[in-house]
Amino acid sequence: TQTVSQSDAHVTVFEGDSVELRCNYSYGGSIYLSWYIQHHGHGLQFLLKYYSGNPVVQGVNGFEAEFSKSDSSFHLRKASVHWSDSAVYFCAVSEGGGSNAKLTFGKGTKLSVKS
Amino acid sequence: EAAVTQSPRSKVAVTGGKVTLSCHQTNNHDYMYWYRQDTGHGLRLIHYSYVADSTEKGDIPDGYKASRPSQENFSLILELASLSQTAVYFCASSGTNYAEQFFGPGTRLTVL
Repeated sequence: TQTVSQSDAHVTVFEGDSVELRCNYSYGGSIYLSWYIQHHGHGLQFLLKYYSGNPVVQGVNGFEAEFSKSDSSFHLRKASVHWSDSAVYFCAVSEGGGSNAKLTFGKGTKLSVKS
Repeated sequence: EAAVTQSPRSKVAVTGGKVTLSCHQTNNHDYMYWYRQDTGHGLRLIHYSYVADSTEKGDIPDGYKASRPSQENFSLILELASLSQTAVYFCASSGTNYAEQFFGPGTRLTVL
């Protein structure tokens, strides 16, 4: 059984600060890792994903994430946040295809950006 | 134009009643999913489908049925709604790159 852990329920930063949202997973096989953003009252929007290759992947709006097999982590980063980045961020893991094509989500990290 | 739409956007149901939530996608995707979101639990997968006329159980299927009559449409059915099924329900679709899913706006269901 794969699990996804987002250790921080809530992170608060000031506009212009850098931020790192942490994600750790437990699974031994080949997996896809992804991040999603949810603004209040809306559905989730895809940010980025990783499967193989360069462990640093770029997403939309200046977000990037780095995969580490040794740490079982896939942390999301942004160098300079904007107030519009305030949202809940979800890390997700998936495996296989066909009948195994499903995502397991972490519980989310709420990012609050203060001006 | 939204590629994944859900109806209704909100609904109040009575305990023991039947509820049907509908999802329609115009992405030409094979995979469709139903999730529920509760505070403190993130999103949990209820049912999913990777081909029309076939559905698969997700992580929390008890109390829910699903129907996929066509590639574009995927319904979630609560035959006997219960208080514990009060939640926000999201539908999503994906292509074969199922790590990248496209979500609908959600349906807020309140069971009284």
